[in-house]
Amino acid sequence: TQLLEQSPQFLSIQEGENLTVYCNSSSVFSSLQWYRQEPGEGPVLLVTVVTGGEVKKLKRLTFQFGDARKDSSLHITAAQPGDTGLYLCAKGPANDYKLSFGAGTTVTVRA
Amino acid sequence: EAGVTQSPTHLIKTRGQQATLRCSPISGHTSVYWYQQALGLGLQFLLWYDEGEERNRGNFPPRFSGRQFPNYSSELNVNALELEDSALYLCASSFQGFGYTFGSGTRLTVV
Repeated sequence: TQLLEQSPQFLSIQEGENLTVYCNSSSVFSSLQWYRQEPGEGPVLLVTVVTGGEVKKLKRLTFQFGDARKDSSLHITAAQPGDTGLYLCAKGPANDYKLSFGAGTTVTVRA
Repeated sequence: EAGVTQSPTHLIKTRGQQATLRCSPISGHTSVYWYQQALGLGLQFLLWYDEGEERNRGNFPPRFSGRQFPNYSSELNVNALELEDSALYLCASSFQGFGYTFGSGTRLTVV
């Protein structure tokens, strides 16, 4: 059972367009991480958010953490083919240091 | 600095056989985590080793086991392989939950 729900499952857009992916849970997160995973590679950490209402920017990527700390979004402005990948949100690490992942959103940016 | 390294990159086994996967953590990291990434299911937590001890395991049968060596490297063993064990197996390392970093994974195919 996934504790984190990610939507949409798949997203295909043209280069230059914007996109938003979502991560939701019925329970509160102590912290949330966003990863990007490219084919044949392991997930790479993009950002960690810990404070409700927090907004973090990483170049063209904007990450928001909901006020109630139950949801988060990732917005990409002017997407490029290099943004193609699987975007994963993860809860934790908790006291047991493990991460609990959503199923991910597969993003394809067409040139 | 070398990242988390996993070997082999690919492994093909027959149903019923045993598979051994290896992971070397980042220097200074004492914890190693194993995750299974099956198609469409996201990352599922398998095992956590710290200081040579198994600290936690996910909802997987006892066929999945492992160990951590004095140099903090780790081995994952999967016995009596089943077709549904086919997946990407990812190893991550950290020091007390910090610096969580994934390797590129071992693609296990059971035929």
